[in-house]
Amino acid sequence: GAVVSQHPSRVICKSGTSVKIECRSLDFQATTMFWYRQFPKQSLMLMATSNEGSKATYEQGVEKDKFLINHASLTLSTLTVTSAHPEDSSFYICSADGGGWKSEQFFGPGTRLTVL
Amino acid sequence: KQEVTQIPAALSVPEGENLVLNCSFTDSAIYNLQWFRQDPGKGLTSLLLIQSSQREQTSGRLNASLDKSSGRSTLYIAASQPGDSATYLCAVRYGGQNFVFGPGTRLSVLP
Repeated sequence: GAVVSQHPSRVICKSGTSVKIECRSLDFQATTMFWYRQFPKQSLMLMATSNEGSKATYEQGVEKDKFLINHASLTLSTLTVTSAHPEDSSFYICSADGGGWKSEQFFGPGTRLTVL
Repeated sequence: KQEVTQIPAALSVPEGENLVLNCSFTDSAIYNLQWFRQDPGKGLTSLLLIQSSQREQTSGRLNASLDKSSGRSTLYIAASQPGDSATYLCAVRYGGQNFVFGPGTRLSVLP
């Protein structure tokens, strides 16, 4: 099956710093990628939809100036958490669409962000 | 509002039992439905994908059914094993491309 990678897998940072998370589709091209956030013992909540070559679409309540998304190529999307605070600590997961509305979404392994 | 619920929230069974996990969705105009497994602190592993035109999918000991009219899907796990212990997530795809996830069922299979 298709493989999606995320880097880093775990990051610990100080409050006020910015953190960049990469999501890559390794063996297929993904015009659309999705970013989710998962708090402990909760399900995944969609943050934004990332489209190659255009601006991301953010879900209601997600600050676009805080969570910067760049989808510069068909295999890479990045999420930058700017001026991170402890409440941003969470598990961030990306997924990539295999193509067409009938296709599967393939998920990355996730990035655990801890803001001190 | 499109919502997905899962019952039960948690389940503990002895090894070898057959079990059923339930997923319900409020809007039946779905494109497809996908079942995932998530181990603690890990990402998602896709188990089964059912298109809106299909009624069931099978993979090994897993069988997923879909009843769009009633807004339900079930995941059947045969002869459960301790290695099946994980959280099982149901996700429904509507218009657009993203999924709406259920809260998950935490499964523990005791040896």
